[in-house]
Formats: sequence, structure tokens, C-alpha cells
Amino acid sequence: GESVGLHLPTLSVQEGDNSIINCAYSNSASDYFIWYKQESGKGPQFIIDIRSNMDKRQGQRVTVLLNKTVKHLSLQIAATQPGDSAVYFCAETGSNYQLIWGAGTKLIIKP
Amino acid sequence: EPEVTQTPSHQVTQMGQEVILRCVPISNHLYFYWYRQILGQKVEFLVSFYNNEISEKSEIFDDQFSVERPDGSNFTLKIRSTKLEDSAMYFCASSEFGTVGYGYTFGSGTRLTVV
Repeated sequence: GESVGLHLPTLSVQEGDNSIINCAYSNSASDYFIWYKQESGKGPQFIIDIRSNMDKRQGQRVTVLLNKTVKHLSLQIAATQPGDSAVYFCAETGSNYQLIWGAGTKLIIKP
Repeated sequence: EPEVTQTPSHQVTQMGQEVILRCVPISNHLYFYWYRQILGQKVEFLVSFYNNEISEKSEIFDDQFSVERPDGSNFTLKIRSTKLEDSAMYFCASSEFGTVGYGYTFGSGTRLTVV
């Protein structure tokens, strides 16, 4: 079946360091992947996306890497700031083009 | 920046009661969605709505659930007879073109507590 999962439920990072959040997916037919950020009490917020014909995409302070060989997706956040504290979800589009979500990784920033 | 607005932010209801969760999508968006998130778990798709009808629904969206666009601005989710396991955050989302990704915007959610 289709599923998206995350490797670590919680990640603690020193402020200023880079963060790497990982995600594994099982549907090799998925062709579009998205990272969402969910701050406490708010809805998911789009961060960055990537299509399966790419292996890397960069945004402002964020980079998404896609490794289709091992069905692995990662989100890299450069110079992590207190405002980056949130739960991060990866999501993929399944065969019906609806979002299939992973379980989420909570990012904690240490001062 | 345009927002999806959901009301109320928190609703407590007795088991067996009907609840209506309200959403105001972004004004030029044509596709509307409901998702739910049980505490500490992943977000789950419930239903998508376009052109005044349901376009897709998940297994969760059974006969107890219904959606409606009663006027030109609101999009509602009704749960007919709430159960304890309906307790969750319910997120409304809207998009202009029906595609996921950037522009697919979520509201801040309604926390439903069934007691």
C-alpha cells in the first residue's frame, strides 16, 4: 500500500546549526513531494516541493533532497532559528493526487 | 496574504450531538477540502469538493459526515452524530486550480472535543 513515514519523531538542534529532517516513502509511483511546517495551533504551511524528475531543490534557507533509489526524502534547514520550531511533515501525492502524509517530526531548537 | 478562516477554533460537544465546522476559503479558490488530525498523529484526507459536489472522499468520510457550500463564501463540514473518536483537529483547505503544493492553503483548524 501507499505510505509515507518519518525516521525520527523529535529532533533537537542547536540554534545556528543546520537541521536535517528525513522521510521515507513506499510508493515508487509517487511523482510529487511536499514538505509542510506546522506551528503550534496552526494549520500546515507549505515550505517546499519537489517533483520526481529532480533530486534537489533549493529555497530560502531550505533544501529538499530526493533519492528515488532508496525512496528517501530529506529537508535541510540552514542556520536554524527559533522560528523554525515546529512539526515538519512530508507528504506525497498518491495515485488519486490527494496528499498522503507522514507522521511528522518535531524540531526543537536549543538556545 | 489571503487566508483560509475556520470557526470556531475549539468546539466541545456531547457524544451523539451534531456539529457543524465552518470554513471561509480564499475568495478566488474553487477547490475545497477537509482534513483531520487526531492528536499526535498524521493529517488524514477526508473529502474534496468542487463545483458544488464532492469530487473525492476517503474511507473516514462515512454517512455521518457531509459537506456543504451554503453560500458563496462558506464551506461547512457536518458530523451528524458525533462519536468519541471524532475528537481531532479538523483542517479546511482551498486551492485555486485543484493542484496540491504551493497555493494549496490550510486554515488554522478547529479542535473538536467529543465528551
